[in-house]
Amino acid sequence: GENVEQHPSTLSVQEGDSAVIKCTYSDSASNYFPWYKQELGKRPQLIIDIRSNVGEKKDQRIAVTLNKTAKHFSLHITETQPEDSAVYFCAASPLNRDDKIIFGKGTRLHILP
Amino acid sequence: EAGVAQSPRYKIIEKRQSVAFWCNPISGHATLYWYQQILGQGPKLLIQFQNNGVVDDSQLPKDRFSAERLKGVDSTLKIQPAKLEDSAVYLCASSLDRYGEAFFGQGTRLTVV
Repeated sequence: GENVEQHPSTLSVQEGDSAVIKCTYSDSASNYFPWYKQELGKRPQLIIDIRSNVGEKKDQRIAVTLNKTAKHFSLHITETQPEDSAVYFCAASPLNRDDKIIFGKGTRLHILP
Repeated sequence: EAGVAQSPRYKIIEKRQSVAFWCNPISGHATLYWYQQILGQGPKLLIQFQNNGVVDDSQLPKDRFSAERLKGVDSTLKIQPAKLEDSAVYLCASSLDRYGEAFFGQGTRLTVV
């Protein structure tokens, strides 16, 4: 089955700087890669996703890149703000097979003032 | 649009007792997931339904956990008997179809004492 590894587990960046979180996956059939943000005590919420037919996707300060050959994908947050502090989870899914979404262990992002 | 509803929000039980969680997915969503999220970890898939059929329950501890989705709408997850290590947040999520974003409920925080 699919296995998703996520690094780092904790990341501290100065407000205004960029943050990068990296994930690798094992199942070459995976073709859907969502990123979820989970604030303390709240539900995970989708912030951006990418499908395997594109290599990069951007939404304002957030971007995701995908390297299918290397089986890794990354989340980039630019001009970080205090409200970006949260736990971020990457996930992978072979949507056209058995559909299950497998999550990484998460990255706790701290934005320092 | 109404989100995924879960109840109860919190539950405290003694070990060896039984407990049940309820989930009402977004109307029209065919896919329903139950995830277990232990503190500080990513969501771990327990079971996935497509309509009222089980797609994947390979990670469900079937000696104590059971789940059903009668009529392909609401779902219940039961633990009997509970163990201390079952303390976690149980998240229900649903998606429209196999190509869609998974929307999470607020979760049920279970504490087994």
